[in-house]
Amino acid sequence: DTGVSQNPRHKITKRGQNVTFRCDPISEHNRLYWYRQTLGQGPEFLTYFQNEAQLEKSRLLSDRFSAERPKGSFSTLEIQRTEQGDSAMYLCASSLSREKLFFGSGTQLSVL
Amino acid sequence: TQLLEQSPQFLSIQEGENLTVYCNSSSVFSSLQWYRQEPGEGPVLLVTVVTGGEVKKLKRLTFQFGDARKDSSLHITAAQPGDTGLYLCAGDRSGNQFYFGTGTSLTVIP
Repeated sequence: DTGVSQNPRHKITKRGQNVTFRCDPISEHNRLYWYRQTLGQGPEFLTYFQNEAQLEKSRLLSDRFSAERPKGSFSTLEIQRTEQGDSAMYLCASSLSREKLFFGSGTQLSVL
Repeated sequence: TQLLEQSPQFLSIQEGENLTVYCNSSSVFSSLQWYRQEPGEGPVLLVTVVTGGEVKKLKRLTFQFGDARKDSSLHITAAQPGDTGLYLCAGDRSGNQFYFGTGTSLTVIP
């Protein structure tokens, strides 16, 4: 059990480019969450998967954002046509039960 | 608007002092969690409280869930520099997401 792994740790991109982040959850965890966190704020919910099914999406998740978990294991979060306001830390968490989330170290996105 | 408000937002204290952080909401939660986060890392779960009025202790940290399950507090006794970090509360309303508070940034000065 190596914990939740997120790649890359840092991403710098130019406005208008597409970016994709990957999350590898703890192997037996069926629940997977994506959150976004800006400096000095608490994480904001983006989306939730149970196995491969995306069961909930936040209104924050505009049509430029898409997330997948094709085989119920790893997940990807893609942002198309990035904007400066997308700059944030993108956090992935996994869990077996509702009461205990395990977070990865996050991907820090900077849009120039 | 944040569902959970934390206070204070920033706290700087001397080593050995005691402190309390508050997490308040007008909504009822089925459970509430406290996390600590260090710069450049993800939050790490400290405790989950489930029952109204519940008190849990983790060494020098004491967590309390309000009787009405709308609020919580975290009390740290004899703070140490290693306690420095961002403290986050997160509430579960039995949906598919956890609502995080605004965070309390704690600095303990040696």
